[in-house]
Amino acid sequence: QAVLTQPSSLSASPGASASLTCTLRSGINVGPYRIYWYQQKPGSPPQYLLRYTSDSDKQQGSGVPSRFSGSKDASANAGILLISGLQSEDEADYYCMIWHNSACVFGGGTKLTVL
Amino acid sequence: QVTLKESGPALVKPTQTLTLTCTFSGFSLSTSGMCVSWIRQPPGKALEWLARIDWDDNKLYSTSLKTRFTISKDTSKNQVVFTMTNMDPVDTATYYCARTGTGGTIDYWGQGTLVTVSS
Repeated sequence: QAVLTQPSSLSASPGASASLTCTLRSGINVGPYRIYWYQQKPGSPPQYLLRYTSDSDKQQGSGVPSRFSGSKDASANAGILLISGLQSEDEADYYCMIWHNSACVFGGGTKLTVL
Repeated sequence: QVTLKESGPALVKPTQTLTLTCTFSGFSLSTSGMCVSWIRQPPGKALEWLARIDWDDNKLYSTSLKTRFTISKDTSKNQVVFTMTNMDPVDTATYYCARTGTGGTIDYWGQGTLVTVSS
């Protein structure tokens, strides 16, 4: 079972909100982990969006709009990237990441379609 | 302004060793907390972290592939060199280097270099 699991795809309408989940493997408690989020558009490297540990420990990437925000769902053992006021330019692949046992682990990515 | 650029061969043959160089500016690997990571992405697939070197020369490697990797730095040249032995067609990917800051944030990425493994 992968350390981080993301749904492969998600569709949402312009102006709506999209909630992208990143579920940690059973036995790895999301609580203390910093969850990092990246956006990648075709032909470009990933762009750092934000990291979220808790409401008191979070960081927005440089120049990243505030409509991108992070949270956690402890009951689902997951990190969440919330994108509000969806725009066509938000259509991209989104990856979550954590550092686990001195190694960096990426999720499989979610392809977000805005239509 | 932080920039990173990967350089190396676009094509390698199976069993050969791949050597990639990351040349960066806008930060120093002699600064406490600074690190550089290598990450790859096969065509149409997800990101995969490979290795990291820290300001104090600490090195971390992907456990699944670590026997094939070597990472080193030349602080005076602002370069990080990554080598991967025994290349296979499944290693065909875009290879990125990226700044990794204090606490593990991978915040700036190079444009990546596509490496194809084929005879």
